[in-house]
Amino acid sequence: NAGVMQNPRHLVRRRGQEARLRCSPMKGHSHVYWYRQLPEEGLKFMVYLQKENIIDESGMPKERFSAEFPKEGPSILRIQQVVRGDSAAYFCASSPIQNSNTGELFFGEGSRLTVL
Amino acid sequence: TQLLEQSPQFLSIQEGENLTVYCNSSSVFSSLQWYRQEPGEGPVLLVTVVTGGEVKKLKRLTFQFGDARKDSSLHITAAQPGDTGLYLCAGRGRQGAQKLVFGQGTRLTINP
Repeated sequence: NAGVMQNPRHLVRRRGQEARLRCSPMKGHSHVYWYRQLPEEGLKFMVYLQKENIIDESGMPKERFSAEFPKEGPSILRIQQVVRGDSAAYFCASSPIQNSNTGELFFGEGSRLTVL
Repeated sequence: TQLLEQSPQFLSIQEGENLTVYCNSSSVFSSLQWYRQEPGEGPVLLVTVVTGGEVKKLKRLTFQFGDARKDSSLHITAAQPGDTGLYLCAGRGRQGAQKLVFGQGTRLTINP
């Protein structure tokens, strides 16, 4: 049973380009979360999605960032017109349907974005 | 906004010593989890605590949830080099909340 799959693992973009990060949740999981981590820091919540729905996007920057989780295919975190401050590790996590209050989040290995 | 403050942020000790890492907040959490993260990997769950005052043990690791459910601690006995890593506490606010809020982490290094 494969875990949470993220790709690419490493992505280099120049300022102004677009970055697309993909996440395939664990089999049977319908909840996806995106977190951002800067070096030597904890994870900052960005967005929580279920299939075809954004449930909580309170951590998403108002501009340039968007996320989707279509009925078919992986969840995608899109960053338009990247700036150097977007350089970070972006982690995706998934949980099963009807995850309890104490449920575990299963994390992928992250996508490391470097903006030149 | 619920915040979790971890202390210390960095800790480097010798193999065999004991240590405690703290996770504090002014907010009440319905549950709190501890994760461990290795370089280049995602966090992995160690334990979940739910009840105020709850204590859970995982081999040499002891986790405690404060009586008021605002704080937690992780105690490691006789630390081993394999314990080296980033330890993150994470909490859920209201009952049923899905979003997990993370502390900034404690970078632990155990020297042989």
